[in-house]
Amino acid sequence: NAGVTQTPKFRVLKTGQSMTLLCAQDMNHEYMYWYRQDPGMGLRLIHYSVGEGTTAKGEVPDGYNVSRLKKQNFLLGLESAAPSQTSVYFCASSYSVVDSNQPQHFGDGTRLSIL
Amino acid sequence: GQNIDQPTEMTATEGAIVQINCTYQTSGFNGLFWYQQHAGEAPTFLSYNVLDGLEEKGRFSSFLSRSKGYSYLLLKELQMKDSASYLCAVKSFQKLVFGTGTRLLVSP
Repeated sequence: NAGVTQTPKFRVLKTGQSMTLLCAQDMNHEYMYWYRQDPGMGLRLIHYSVGEGTTAKGEVPDGYNVSRLKKQNFLLGLESAAPSQTSVYFCASSYSVVDSNQPQHFGDGTRLSIL
Repeated sequence: GQNIDQPTEMTATEGAIVQINCTYQTSGFNGLFWYQQHAGEAPTFLSYNVLDGLEEKGRFSSFLSRSKGYSYLLLKELQMKDSASYLCAVKSFQKLVFGTGTRLLVSP
């Protein structure tokens, strides 16, 4: 009964370093999303994917890249980390029907600090 | 543009009723979700409205008026464990647009 699993849970990086956040879901969901959550800003969409091999930009995509090589996995990459990317990152997944009442299911988050 | 407004913080007493309002202006509308988020945890789904009216789920109810761009979440018989942030989110095409959330503090 894993649902949406994010790794790692915590990470501290130095400015300029790169890293990849992994999101895995076992619910056979078509759609997957990456958000960042900052105090007073709410959840903001970084990138999303509507199916294996497809990705699209969200509200705040700059400085991030993503890949969806397998349906169950969605990777978020930071090529050159900046202090402004210090945040809590959430992955979510959902079924694909636009009019469906199916909600997005969230992972537990990755707390990332950039020094 | 996309704009979702919620109060930043509300306080209430255990056993009371509280209503959290949400107004929205979005480029598309495919439904409105309410999520609960405890501090340091992931958001969890509470309710969904796509048609006008009230949806009831135990102690929680959610209301939608599409013509007014307005929703509210009603929490009855408040418990201490209801202290959390409540996120209003509008489904716009394939995406959710979130408000900044309302932090609810329930006191004894």
